[in-house]
Amino acid sequence: QQQVKQSPQSLIVQKGGISIINCAYENTAFDYFPWYQQFPGKGPALLIAIRPDVSEKKEGRFTISFNKSAKQFSLHIMDSQPGDSATYFCAASTKETSGSRLTFGEGTQLTVNP
Amino acid sequence: DAGVIQSPRHEVTEMGQEVTLRCKPISGHDYLFWYRQTMMRGLELLIYFNNNVPIDDSGMPEDRFSAKMPNASFSTLKIQPSEPRDSAVYFCASSLIVGSAFFGQGTRLTVV
Repeated sequence: QQQVKQSPQSLIVQKGGISIINCAYENTAFDYFPWYQQFPGKGPALLIAIRPDVSEKKEGRFTISFNKSAKQFSLHIMDSQPGDSATYFCAASTKETSGSRLTFGEGTQLTVNP
Repeated sequence: DAGVIQSPRHEVTEMGQEVTLRCKPISGHDYLFWYRQTMMRGLELLIYFNNNVPIDDSGMPEDRFSAKMPNASFSTLKIQPSEPRDSAVYFCASSLIVGSAFFGQGTRLTVV
């Protein structure tokens, strides 16, 4: 019940195209859904996050769409650039009185071809 | 702030040796996490601390792994004895609130 399922495992997009990565969860107690971006040799970095009280959040070229009833959320990267080539992780967490922890998806390796 | 600082960046050790990974979290952060990343298993949470107290160590794979946080600015992850299957990238992360974890650069551990 703590799992977050992410797809696809890898994605190749042409420059200027739209990259879409999907995640699904089971635990209805999850109430915070961040996306992390990881470049080779670096640690994951927080990219954008959403709470379930909104259905969409946009920051620049990055948009999270959230479907609470379907327990799914997705990351859209508009006008994808070669510099966006990285591994993307979705994650989820709950407000637990005992602490704070993230459950990560399996990751999506995005390649944007020039 | 310099962010989460981990050392060493790379560690190569022989099987059976003790390995100690170090982490300095961002000042003021209440939570500290140790993650392990491998191709096969992705990002796994090993243990996390809140205000220097271990909260959940259910992800620690075996008794060979131990973690301490003697004060708010320092934590260690120790593997004794190390085995080849422990080879991975180990990340330390810290956060002030739920979800906003900041990761260090990681320590790439190779056990031969």
